[in-house]
Amino acid sequence: AQSVAQPEDQVNVAEGNPLTVKCTYSVSGNPYLFWYVQYPNRGLQFLLKYITGDNLVKGSYGFEAEFNKSQTSFHLKKPSALVSDSALYFCAVRDMPPGAGSYQLTFGKGTKLSVIP
Amino acid sequence: GAVVSQHPSWVICKSGTSVKIECRSLDFQATTMFWYRQFPKQSLMLMATSNEGSKATYEQGVEKDKFLINHASLTLSTLTVTSAHPEDSSFYICSARDCGIRSAGSKSWCSNQPQHFGDGTRLSIL
Repeated sequence: AQSVAQPEDQVNVAEGNPLTVKCTYSVSGNPYLFWYVQYPNRGLQFLLKYITGDNLVKGSYGFEAEFNKSQTSFHLKKPSALVSDSALYFCAVRDMPPGAGSYQLTFGKGTKLSVIP
Repeated sequence: GAVVSQHPSWVICKSGTSVKIECRSLDFQATTMFWYRQFPKQSLMLMATSNEGSKATYEQGVEKDKFLINHASLTLSTLTVTSAHPEDSSFYICSARDCGIRSAGSKSWCSNQPQHFGDGTRLSIL
């Protein structure tokens, strides 16, 4: 089965500074990777995805992610953090486990981002 | 963009009660919807895949008689927690993919489309 790992439970960054939320993946075949954000007591919102093409993917709210095949990473980045970016961020990979009838998303454990004013 | 509406957003009820949660795709048709459970400070755990017009596919360890799923139309899936107990208290989230009007033969293409999530239902069993 495919999997993703988010090595950091929490990331703190000062407002205006660049931010990075890390994600590494383990897949057989080509990876299909996604980033989602979750605000308190809300569902998840899609930020961006990598299927094929350019390694630098641009998404919503000024976020981007860099796909690095040699390092099996898909880190989420933003040049200048906002306080409103504070939320829980999930990396996910498309997966079809044995016995499943359709593709699913397998999520990382999440990283809490806190942007300090 | 695609919107998924989930209702209710918050439920508090007594132990032994059955609770129904609705998940609707508001501006697109969803042949497949997903039901997740999320514990505090943890990731989403897929409970089941809901398929329109057929039986849901449950993940290992999820009791199908406890968590009843019905996907009667292309825009509505329901999750019923039967005879709920305090250990069923959790945050339940549904999602769906907007695959447009492509044919069913494009499952791979559809699987690359992002999932759109409802805002979740906070279930508290007393």
